[in-house]
Parts: sequence; C-alpha cells; structure tokens
Amino acid sequence: EPEVTQTPSHQVTQMGQEVILRCVPISNHLYFYWYRQILGQKVEFLVSFYNNEISEKSEIFDDQFSVERPDGSNFTLKIRSTKLEDSAMYFCASSEPFYGYTFGSGTRLTVV
Amino acid sequence: DQQVKQNSPSLSVQEGRISILNCDYTNSMFDYFLWYKKYPAEGPTFLISISSIKDKNEDGRFTVFLNKSAKHLSLHIVPSQPGDSAVYFCAASEGNQGGKLIFGQGTELSVKP
Repeated sequence: EPEVTQTPSHQVTQMGQEVILRCVPISNHLYFYWYRQILGQKVEFLVSFYNNEISEKSEIFDDQFSVERPDGSNFTLKIRSTKLEDSAMYFCASSEPFYGYTFGSGTRLTVV
Repeated sequence: DQQVKQNSPSLSVQEGRISILNCDYTNSMFDYFLWYKKYPAEGPTFLISISSIKDKNEDGRFTVFLNKSAKHLSLHIVPSQPGDSAVYFCAASEGNQGGKLIFGQGTELSVKP
C-alpha cells in the first residue's frame, strides 16, 4: 500500500537553529500538507500546498516557517529559527482526493 | 476556537461489545468528516469518512453516523477487538478536495479482553 515517508523520525536541535523536515508524499497525489501535534494536544493544521504554491496556512504558520517541493518528489518544511514551543510531532500528509488523505508516521522535533 | 470536539477523552469497552465514539462540531460549513486511528509515535491512519449528503457510511466493523441537525457524528465499532485500542480522532473539512482538516482532541479507546 502506498505510504507517505517522513525523515528523520526524531530531530533534536538547539533553540535558534534551522531545521528541515522531509517528506515523500504518495506519488500520484497533488495536495500536500503539514500538521503538528504538541504532546497531549490535538493535531493542528499548519499549511496546505497545491500546484507548487501554498493554498492555505494557519496562524501557526508564521514567517519562520516555509515549505518547498524542490524536486517533484520531496516536500519539505523548514523552520528558520526554532523556539522551544516548536517542539512537537510534525506530520506530513498528501491527498487526491480525501479518501487518499494519508499521513506519514511523523517527525518528533525536540528543541533544547 | 474548538470547531470539532470530542468530549470523552477515554472509553473502555469489553472485547466483542460495541464501541461508540462521539464527535460534535460547530461549523455548519463542514461537509466532509473523517475518523482516524492513531497509535503512539505513528501518524493518524484513515478509517472511514462520510459526506454531508449521507447520514450513514459502513465499512466492515466500522460505521459512521452523521446527524447534521445536531452537528454530531459518531463512530461505531462492532464487535470491538483488543487491536482496536488506540486514540481515535474525528476530523472535519469544508469540501473534500484539498482542504485542511480540523481535528478533535481525540478519544482513547481501550478494549479489554
């Protein structure tokens, strides 16, 4: 069964450092997303990406966040200057259509 | 702003019995609803969905019921199995093409042998 692949599974970074979280969506999907889940809280939408541009973003997705699809297969989330409160599980998802809305297994980001 | 609410943080049922997980929403623009199952350290796994034009959708042991007037949906699992033990998230969207999902807080289901 097709799956969304995320790397790394766990990333530890120092506050103020830049991190890039990587995702390989399902190949025939056209919509791509990032969500995050802070420990003990619900899964929250960050951003959606379609046709090589952001289609929607949440209030969380401020100027320190950016997304890219650099080579037609990878989909990345960059956090420019990490803060302690960025510590969370980050989930990539892709869809086409919703029946295929599939999440990756996540990257646990720990900012110290 | 909790547009999707799961008011029961946990539920415990006996193996073989029915599990009923509930979800309420406030946004009348939502017209597509999904249930996801999540194990620790894994991503949400899609279970079943329902469009607002329907009031019931069934897939094997899983049935989702939608009551639009009450803005309420529920997931029924019957018979429940120990392997069903996980956190279940309700999610909603405006439309079924490329839109964001708004998740509830989740209900942790424990199915006891």
